[in-house]
Amino acid sequence: NAGVTQTPKFQVLKTGQSMTLQCAQDMNHNSMYWYRQDPGMGLRLIYYSASEGTTDKGEVPNGYNVSRLNKREFSLRLESAAPSQTSVYFCASGQALMGYTFGSGTRLTVV
Amino acid sequence: GESVGLHLPTLSVQEGDNSIINCAYSNSASDYFIWYKQESGKGPQFIIDIRSNMDKRQGQRVTVLLNKTVKHLSLQIAATQPGDSAVYFCAENARGSYIPTFGRGTSLIVHP
Repeated sequence: NAGVTQTPKFQVLKTGQSMTLQCAQDMNHNSMYWYRQDPGMGLRLIYYSASEGTTDKGEVPNGYNVSRLNKREFSLRLESAAPSQTSVYFCASGQALMGYTFGSGTRLTVV
Repeated sequence: GESVGLHLPTLSVQEGDNSIINCAYSNSASDYFIWYKQESGKGPQFIIDIRSNMDKRQGQRVTVLLNKTVKHLSLQIAATQPGDSAVYFCAENARGSYIPTFGRGTSLIVHP
């Protein structure tokens, strides 16, 4: 069982460059999430999608956009990367009262 | 605002000891709680969950206790092993919410 698959695992960007982080889940979950994790800050929610066709801002949405392409896929886009976006990004999926499954993360460095 | 927090940022134990990791929550509307384990360089991994209609739930070597009166959650790990060394997060879901709230984590260090 693949669970939640994130690509790429590592990425280095120059300031101002754009990129899309991909996420796919094979558990038929309705909800999907993007988090960033910084030292001492814990997991902070960027965007979430409660169900296919809907997306909503989380705690730290500025500088990001998302697309829920279908039930399986939820992508995160950085239009113009900034050094403050250097972080580890996690995608997760879940179902009510059934917990949340995380991907292995994307380690992004913006120089 | 509502928050989920942890009492101890770091817990050091000897191999074979039992470990207890604590978590306080303040949202009285929370009805679902989860513990996660995150090893270095990896994503959080689901360990065990508990619903608010329960006080205790056991898994393999792990037990979660929920005290709704004082809004406290704990994770007990029996016979702690070096492989248990990781950061442990608690998370809670308010009734009807799609969004889990995560605590900052406790680092468990197991000494051989």
